[in-house]
Amino acid sequence: DIQMTQSPSSLSASVGDRVTITCRASQSISSYLNWYQQKPGKAPKLLIYGASSLQSGVPSRFSGSGSGTDFTLTISSLQPEDFATYYCQQSYSTPRTFGQGTKLEIK
Amino acid sequence: EVQLVESGGGLVQPGGSLRLSCAASGFTFSTYWMHWVRQAPGKGLVWVSRINSDGSSTTYADCVKGRFTISRDNAQNTLYLQMNSLRAEDTAVYYCVREVRSYYDSTYYYYMDVWGKGTTVTVSS
Repeated sequence: DIQMTQSPSSLSASVGDRVTITCRASQSISSYLNWYQQKPGKAPKLLIYGASSLQSGVPSRFSGSGSGTDFTLTISSLQPEDFATYYCQQSYSTPRTFGQGTKLEIK
Repeated sequence: EVQLVESGGGLVQPGGSLRLSCAASGFTFSTYWMHWVRQAPGKGLVWVSRINSDGSSTTYADCVKGRFTISRDNAQNTLYLQMNSLRAEDTAVYYCVREVRSYYDSTYYYYMDVWGKGTTVTVSS
């Protein structure tokens, strides 16, 4: 199985900050990497697919990059509604493994 | 509106069984792969199982293999998860999820674009 490791596990930031979350795969997954946002008590929401493609309706302050084993999710200017937990997920193979999550908190 | 609605969760004793259902609407259910993903209290997302569009192929996480069975009824637009021999560690919110296969840049990409709100399974005596 492909292991996905996110860093950091938690992060404190302020509104307006630029934030980067990293995800590393245990083997090359090309660009088969997706990012999700989850708020407490809610289902996850797709943000980015194919490592860098923005899902329809997602604000352009979210962006993704990377290929192979190393990927990043960047939020260019944090908004109050962005404080949530973020997960990466590989879709290169089954099982579709997720990272452990990065909790983004208000500083 | 594209929608997935799970049902069937509840409290069950260790060793017991439950069947989860997921009613799909607003899209052509029979053309999509479907998944179950779970989340234990305060923990991260864990993939559980997937089924292909016509139900002929299924895959399971090692932790549920031999105990859980995923199935679908395309005529009824419904996904199922039969859970047997339940354990305390199966306690979680279970999400029904649609996976899209999208072709661009000469490649097929796969991503989970529609999630249900989840149904809670609690395994406890």
